[in-house]
Amino acid sequence: DTAVSQTPKYLVTQMGNDKSIKCEQNLGHDTMYWYKQDSKKFLKIMFSYNNKELIINETVPNRFSPKSPDKAHLNLHINSLELGDSAVYFCASSQGGLAGGETQYFGPGTRLLVL
Amino acid sequence: KNEVEQSPQNLTAQEGEFITINCSYSVGISALHWLQQHPGGGIVSLFMLSSGKKKHGRLIATINIQEKHSSLHITASHPRDSAVYICAVTGSSQGGKLIFGQGTELSVKP
Repeated sequence: DTAVSQTPKYLVTQMGNDKSIKCEQNLGHDTMYWYKQDSKKFLKIMFSYNNKELIINETVPNRFSPKSPDKAHLNLHINSLELGDSAVYFCASSQGGLAGGETQYFGPGTRLLVL
Repeated sequence: KNEVEQSPQNLTAQEGEFITINCSYSVGISALHWLQQHPGGGIVSLFMLSSGKKKHGRLIATINIQEKHSSLHITASHPRDSAVYICAVTGSSQGGKLIFGQGTELSVKP
């Protein structure tokens, strides 16, 4: 059983399109995260949700809209895709997490290529 | 300058060598994490520590809170240890988000 899963694993699309990436965790965790890994392999936080509530929004363009229908799911919708959005997007989850100090479990990543 | 700095950025070792990767940070933290990113891209948490030392198999992680420094050691390295090792911290008042170092790419030759 996969602990944190993401779909799709690969996404190739044209500039200007709208796309979504889905994330699900079956660990019973309260907190979920989206991270972006750029072309230089540097990872950076985008969003964090705790029990379906947005906790962290790290100055991400408002073309990116996360949605958490329940605490096991955190989806990422991207409007009007741009070339610079090409990256690997990782979902992660942790048991609590608001105070830090919790192990985070990562999904396999979604490789997005915008042409 | 990044809040989390790792050295070296690249490391090539011969099988069997003892390896050390260093991490320094400039923010107050609640915990420090060592992660491994496989060549296939998946990320796995190796250690989370807030003081002292932890050991798992051939991997040892240490942290010095006063000096804001951590090290990851690999004893008797093996080609299967080849991966990117990433240091990350959770800030003491930042909602659990990870702040990452730039990673250390390790290649262990047989």
